[in-house]
Amino acid sequence: GAVVSQHPSWVICKSGTSVKIECRSLDFQATTMFWYRQFPKQSLMLMATSNEGSKATYEQGVEKDKFLINHASLTLSTLTVTSAHPEDSSFYICSARDVGADTQYFGPGTRLTVL
Amino acid sequence: AQSVSQHNHHVILSEAASLELGCNYSYGGTVNLFWYVQYPGQHLQLLLKYFSGDPLVKGIKGFEAEFIKSKFSFNLRKPSVQWSDTAEYFCAVTPKAAGNKLTFGGGTRVLVKP
Repeated sequence: GAVVSQHPSWVICKSGTSVKIECRSLDFQATTMFWYRQFPKQSLMLMATSNEGSKATYEQGVEKDKFLINHASLTLSTLTVTSAHPEDSSFYICSARDVGADTQYFGPGTRLTVL
Repeated sequence: AQSVSQHNHHVILSEAASLELGCNYSYGGTVNLFWYVQYPGQHLQLLLKYFSGDPLVKGIKGFEAEFIKSKFSFNLRKPSVQWSDTAEYFCAVTPKAAGNKLTFGGGTRVLVKP
């Protein structure tokens, strides 16, 4: 099946620093990738839709200047959490849309802890 | 906007018992429906999906789901669970015109006792 990787799997940073998370589709090309946030014991909440070669579309309430998304190629999207604060600590999950299967495949997630 | 509700937050059952997890969605148009599973410490994996055709779909690991359009439901079933089915299960919906933007239900944690 389709494989999506994320890097890093976990990161700890100081408040005020920026953190970049990578999402890669390993065996298919993804014109669209999605970024989610999952709070403990809760479901996934869509943050933004990342489209290759164009600006990301953010969900209501998500600060686009805080969560910068770049989708520079058909296999890579990055999420940068800028000036991170403790309330940004969470589990961030990406998914990539396999157009042929019209299905999203999910990465393993990145646990961000901001001290 | 569409919404997805999963009625059971937690389910505990013994091995060999039958499992049924409810999922209802609210959306007036046609949708694609998915069930994902998240095993402890692992990422979301696709169990099965429904786009059109036979409303009873079979997925991996012996799971199946039935789409009942009149009830806006897409319940997941497995006739006989195993301890390894302990996981969290998520129902997700995307309107066919929404560019694959998924809306997830709240998830159901299933614990299968050996």
